[in-house]
Amino acid sequence: GAVVSQHPSWVICKSGTSVKIECRSLDFQATTMFWYRQFPKQSLMLMATSNEGSKATYEQGVEKDKFLINHASLTLSTLTVTSAHPEDSSFYICSAPETTGRETQYFGPGTRLLVL
Amino acid sequence: GEDVEQSLFLSVREGDSSVINCTYTDSSSTYLYWYKQEPGAGLQLLTYIFSNMDMKQDQRLTVLLNKKDKHLSLRIADTQTGDSAIYFCAESITGTASKLTFGTGTRLQVTL
Repeated sequence: GAVVSQHPSWVICKSGTSVKIECRSLDFQATTMFWYRQFPKQSLMLMATSNEGSKATYEQGVEKDKFLINHASLTLSTLTVTSAHPEDSSFYICSAPETTGRETQYFGPGTRLLVL
Repeated sequence: GEDVEQSLFLSVREGDSSVINCTYTDSSSTYLYWYKQEPGAGLQLLTYIFSNMDMKQDQRLTVLLNKKDKHLSLRIADTQTGDSAIYFCAESITGTASKLTFGTGTRLQVTL
């Protein structure tokens, strides 16, 4: 089946630094990818929709200058957390829908970010 | 707005059936999904159902949809310890190409 990978799986950084998270679709093309955020023992909250070749669509309350999204190719979307602060510590998960009619959205394994 | 609710916790004995419930508010939901998340991992799609269906069975999994009451359930037959995880229901309006709204998640604990 289709696989979505994320890199890195874990990242610890100092407050004020920027962190880039990659999301790749490994054996299919994804014109759209989704970025979610999950706090401990909570549900996934959609942050933004990443669109290949165009600007991302952000959900209400998500700062687009804080969470930069770049969908540079049909297999890669990146999320950059700029000037990270401890409150940005979370589990970030990306997903990509398969477009062959199977109605399946594949999720990456997630990236755990800890900002000290 | 969309709101998807689940009970937080369910404990069952190995071999028994588990039933995880979900209620949603958006009547325009077209697709409803069940995902499984194991500790520290991403989400695995278990099954999905179209809103024009009442039931879908897939091996040990049975999904029931009551569209009138906006109630979705997932029944796991012969629950195993490997089924211990968090289960999320999710809904979307136009299918997987659109965003998913997730429920609050139900933690299933399977005891021996």
